[in-house]
Order: sequence, then structure tokens, then C-alpha cells
Amino acid sequence: DTGVSQNPRHKITKRGQNVTFRCDPISEHNRLYWYRQTLGQGPEFLTYFQNEAQLEKSRLLSDRFSAERPKGSFSTLEIQRTEQGDSAMYLCASSPPGLAVGETQYFGPGTRLLVL
Amino acid sequence: GNSVTQMEGPVTLSEEAFLTINCTYTATGYPSLFWYVQYPGEGLQLLLKATKADDKGSNKGFEATYRKETTSFHLEKGSVQVSDSAVYFCALISVRLTGTASKLTFGTGTRLQVTL
Repeated sequence: DTGVSQNPRHKITKRGQNVTFRCDPISEHNRLYWYRQTLGQGPEFLTYFQNEAQLEKSRLLSDRFSAERPKGSFSTLEIQRTEQGDSAMYLCASSPPGLAVGETQYFGPGTRLLVL
Repeated sequence: GNSVTQMEGPVTLSEEAFLTINCTYTATGYPSLFWYVQYPGEGLQLLLKATKADDKGSNKGFEATYRKETTSFHLEKGSVQVSDSAVYFCALISVRLTGTASKLTFGTGTRLQVTL
């Protein structure tokens, strides 16, 4: 069990550029979540996949944000035309198949984005 | 909607002191409750959880009891150590009646600093 991995760990970009983050969940975990955490706040939900299907999206996820999980394994989160307000830590989590009651979500180390 | 309120930090304690971090919640459905911990430079880790009323979650000397009547899930530890210094997040999942998964809703986090 190698844990959830995220790449890159840090990203600095200029306003208006596009960025893409990758998340590799724990193998055999079919549920995958993206969260965003700003300084001094708890993580906020962005979107959720079960296998390759995107089942829920937050209103926080504007049209500039898109997430995919094409083969039900790794996932990518793309932000187009970045804005300074997008600066945050982007967290990925995964959880195993089975009943959702009390499910534990396992978090990756996050990708810290800074938009200049 | 779901929400979690936890006491503001930072909380500064001497080693071996008693710790309480308050957490209250508002939720629809049948929430499961969690405490996650974030050590400096590391990702979020599950500390403990409880899935139904009156359940007590415990781990590493920490305890929290799911109190439905007061909608609370306060975190306690009898004797803190310097190594417990971290940010603690209270969170909930409100699982749908169909049993399908849902997102974590987090509090804003409480920073604990333990000194010698």
C-alpha cells in the first residue's frame, strides 16, 4: 500500500495560464475525491468520482475547472485561465469499495498552487 | 446543508495537560463523524471516527463520543505530548439513505501547540 500520491507537489504559475494536477489513488480504491484547502481553513469539497463516473460536483467548481478519471484509476484536475484566487492546496483522497457509512477517505500530500 | 463548527485556535498546552477541542455539527441524514490530524509538513490522516450515536472513537490516547442530543463530537486526550502538536479537523459525512458515498464536510481546524 503506497498511499495516495499527487503530482506535482508544488506549482507556481502566472495568472491566465492553465495547470493540470494528477492524483494516483490507492490501488483498488474505486472512489476518488478532490478538495481545495486555503490558508487557515478546512478542506472544501470540489468533486467526486466512483470508478470513471463523475457523480458530484461542487458549486465551487467553476467552468474553468475540469476533472477526469478516464480509466477509473488516476485522476486529473485542470484549471484553465488561472486566477490569483485559485491559489490553494489541492487535495486528493480515495476510499475503497463497500458501504459508504463510516468510510475512511485516505488523503494524498496535496499540490500547492500559487498563481502570481 | 451540512456544517461543522470547531473551537478556534491556537490552543497552547504544557506537556501532560488535558486536552479538549470542541466540535459541533449540523447535518441531514445519518452523519458519520471524524477527527483528522495534519502534522507539520504532512497530509491529512484519520485520527478516529464514530458512525452512530453514543459510539466512542479512540486512537493514540485520543477519544471522542458521538453525542446526537447535543450534536457534538468533542476531542479529548488525558495527557498531551509535544509530538501531538498539529492541526486537528473535525469532519462529517452525511451518507444518503441509499448508502451511496458523499463528501466530507470539514471544520476550520484547530492548531494545537504543546510545549515542554
